[in-house]
Amino acid sequence: IAGITQAPTSQILAAGRRMTLRCTQDMRHNAMYWYRQDLGLGLRLIHYSNTAGTTGKGEVPDGYSVSRANTDDFPLTLASAVPSQTSVYFCASSENRGGNEQFFGPGTRLTVL
Amino acid sequence: GQNIDQPTEMTATEGAIVQINCTYQTSGFNGLFWYQQHAGEAPTFLSYNVLDGLEEKGRFSSFLSRSKGYSYLLLKELQMKDSASYLCANMDSNYQLIWGAGTKLIIKP
Repeated sequence: IAGITQAPTSQILAAGRRMTLRCTQDMRHNAMYWYRQDLGLGLRLIHYSNTAGTTGKGEVPDGYSVSRANTDDFPLTLASAVPSQTSVYFCASSENRGGNEQFFGPGTRLTVL
Repeated sequence: GQNIDQPTEMTATEGAIVQINCTYQTSGFNGLFWYQQHAGEAPTFLSYNVLDGLEEKGRFSSFLSRSKGYSYLLLKELQMKDSASYLCANMDSNYQLIWGAGTKLIIKP
């Protein structure tokens, strides 16, 4: 692994199903983030983690949950998917939360029908 | 509320210079970022300004005026590979990035 990876690359999901998007980084970064990107809108922060064992809510957290059991992994779970959660999801990491460059994963394109 | 404004789309000619403007109104300020995003790909970091003035990095430069809530990204000697979206983002008082919707830059030969 080099950098930050996400899985799956894309997914079509029936409404009401549970889904976990995976994110792994090998840069030993303390801070990690989940964003969604929708056409015509800027990236919006869903949840973040300043360090392993801690998480926080971003701008649009409803319907999503995260965990940070270790430094490398930061999965995002949709407990019961709805069509409005159709989006491109990006995971990112930075050395620390603050004025540091964020490195982005390749994204997961999720369609909820 | 928090707001980042940048033009939706711009067109420029290969070899020319283009300036992409960004204005912001956010609660607090901890730096202004510019990212590049090619279609279907992830954003990649271009620049970070926390003090007023111009930061030059090769063909790309970024300017900040904190008193005016204004930044611009200057791209010189445009190449076809510069066709992409350019995202402006302000880091607010909670160290959260507030993102603009991006400026799609189209380069014509």
